Amino acid sequence: AQSVTQPDIHITVSEGASLELRCNYSYGATPYLFWYVQSPGQGLQLLLKYFSGDTLVQGIKGFEAEFKRSQSSFNLRKPSVHWSDAAEYFCAVGETNFGNEKLTFGTGTRLTIIP
Amino acid sequence: SAVISQKPSRDICQRGTSLTIQCQVDSQVTMMFWYRQQPGQSLTLIATANQGSEATYESGFVIDKFPISRPNLTFSTLTVSNMSPEDSSIYLCSVKHINTEAFFGQGTRLTVV
Repeated sequence: AQSVTQPDIHITVSEGASLELRCNYSYGATPYLFWYVQSPGQGLQLLLKYFSGDTLVQGIKGFEAEFKRSQSSFNLRKPSVHWSDAAEYFCAVGETNFGNEKLTFGTGTRLTIIP
Repeated sequence: SAVISQKPSRDICQRGTSLTIQCQVDSQVTMMFWYRQQPGQSLTLIATANQGSEATYESGFVIDKFPISRPNLTFSTLTVSNMSPEDSSIYLCSVKHINTEAFFGQGTRLTVV
């Protein structure tokens, strides 16, 4: 069964500082990988996705993530965070078996931004 | 992309009652899902809503507790039956096509008292 681990429950960074959120997955085949963001009281918004090809993917709001098969990781990065980036971030892996598509989410990382 | 309208956005319900949550999508989609997000937790898949047939439930979720309908390609409902305080959660509708990303509604915040 697939699984996703986000080892950091809560991260605090200063505005303008760089950010890296960790994500490790377990999946037997080539994974579909996603990062979603959830602001307080909101649904989930897709930041970026990896299906195949270039292992460094660019997303919205200045985020990027790098797929490293050897490390089973898909870490999210941003060079300079803004106060509006404070939110909950979820990494997810999708099954690729035709007709049985669903997402498994990590436990999330809560990001706090300090001035 | 897909625009998802989920209703109600929030509700407070008495224990023992039932609540039906609606999910309307602005375009036909291949798959629709229902997730639960308990307070401070991640998302857990409840079931896949299948058009014109019974939903496919994940382990730990049963049809009697969470009946689901999907009469067409743009609409689905989830009912939370015989509610208890443990059912207090955010319930999210999600849609996707095969091998694409999933889109999520804003969620229904349910409090059972």
